[in-house]
Amino acid sequence: QQQVRQSPQSLTVWEGETAILNCSYEDSTFDYFPWYHQFPGESPALLIAIRPVSNKKEDGRFTIFFNKREKKFSLHIADSQPGDSATYFCAASDNNNAPRFGAGTKLSVKP
Amino acid sequence: VTLLEQNPRWRLVPRGQAVNLRCILKNSQYPWMSWYQQDLQKQLQWLFTLRSPGDKEVKSLPGADYLATRVTDTELRLQVANMSQGRTLYCTCRAGTGANERLFFGHGTKLSVL
Repeated sequence: QQQVRQSPQSLTVWEGETAILNCSYEDSTFDYFPWYHQFPGESPALLIAIRPVSNKKEDGRFTIFFNKREKKFSLHIADSQPGDSATYFCAASDNNNAPRFGAGTKLSVKP
Repeated sequence: VTLLEQNPRWRLVPRGQAVNLRCILKNSQYPWMSWYQQDLQKQLQWLFTLRSPGDKEVKSLPGADYLATRVTDTELRLQVANMSQGRTLYCTCRAGTGANERLFFGHGTKLSVL
């Protein structure tokens, strides 16, 4: 059973555009929703995360939008830069379980 | 500062042979350690979370069988057997609470089938 679904599988945007990555989940007990990024040859690393007490979390150019009713959350990358090119993973977890990851979105930002 | 030291970094595994992986936690403040696998399509999948020395678990996934052991407060091991497809194994530790919670990943062990 795939607990976290992520789309699109790959995304190409031009430098300066906003990239939008989407995720949905099934388990209502999930209460923590992080996004990780992974550059080629490196390990995943935390980018930004949200708890459902709020429906928006901003950190610089990165914003998570969270919709508890629809069990969906998305990552918006504003003013995308070529250095943002990486694979992005959404995840979901609760107090009793380690994070479950989506399948990943490979983002390419063209200069 | 590297929180997790994994070894080996990579290994060619003859078909049918098992391989033993090791992960050392540099900061015992983060005792919740886990193993994740990343397949050739980059999918990250949780395998195990082992908190206490002596904890052991087994799991079979498509392409490999696993045995995980928490040896000490700072050492986690993983035996990979019957591997038919390459993959990377990551050791993680959980740090922080609430909005500051995060997983730290080790450098990973890349396994290829010979």
